[in-house]
Amino acid sequence: SSELTQPPSVSVSPGQTASITCSGDKLGDKFACWYQQKPGQSPVLVIYQDTKRPSGIPERFSGSNSGNTATLTISGTQTMDEADYFCQAWHSGTGGVFGGGTKLTVL
Amino acid sequence: QVQLQESGPGLVKPSETLSLTCTVSGDSISNYYWSWIRQPPGKGLEWIGYIHYSGDTNYNPSLKSRVTILVDTSKNQFSLKLTSVTAADTAVYYCARDRDGYNRLDQWGQGTLVTVSS
Repeated sequence: SSELTQPPSVSVSPGQTASITCSGDKLGDKFACWYQQKPGQSPVLVIYQDTKRPSGIPERFSGSNSGNTATLTISGTQTMDEADYFCQAWHSGTGGVFGGGTKLTVL
Repeated sequence: QVQLQESGPGLVKPSETLSLTCTVSGDSISNYYWSWIRQPPGKGLEWIGYIHYSGDTNYNPSLKSRVTILVDTSKNQFSLKLTSVTAADTAVYYCARDRDGYNRLDQWGQGTLVTVSS
C-alpha cells in the first residue's frame, strides 16, 4: 500500500516539543519530506530526505524515518509554527504520495 | 530568487478540459523537474505529475488517463491539461519545482483556484 497516515491534529504548548508522525508500509525504505502550510499560503518544504533542512528553515525543525514511521519534530515550538503539516514520500509505481495532513495547534 | 506563477481560467465546465500554465522566473526550466499538485478546498495535497525539460514525464496513476504535462523551454513555461473534468477536480492547483524527481518540492507557486461548474 502507498497510503501515508497522519494524526488529524496535534496540540503543543509554546516552548515544548511537538512530534508529528507519518505511517506507511516500509516507509523507512523511502525518503520522506515534510511540508508546512499556513492558512491561505502555499506549502513550504521544511524537511527532505528524512532529516535535511532546506536553507532558511530553523534548526528547531528535525526529522527521522525508520521502520514504518517518519516523524517531524519541532523543538521549542513557537506560535508561528501553528500550521498544517503534510508528509510525503515517493513510491515506485505510484509516484508522489502525500499524507492526509496534521493540524498543529500551539496553545 | 526563483518564482513560479500559475495562470489559466478559474472556471471550467464539466466534461471540458482544464488548462493551466506555470511561468518560471529566476531559474532555467532546463534544470530540475517541474510538478503540478492540487488541493481541494479544505482538504489535503495530491500530486498530479511532473515533467523534465527533456520531456520525460511521470503521472499519478489515478489521473494518468486524463493528464498531460508539457514543457516549453523557449518560454520557460510548463503546462497542465486535465480532460473530462468533474466537480471533484475543483481545487487549488499549484506548480512547483522538484529538485530531484522524487518530490523534493522546494519552490511553489501561489496556487490558482479552478472551479468546475456549469
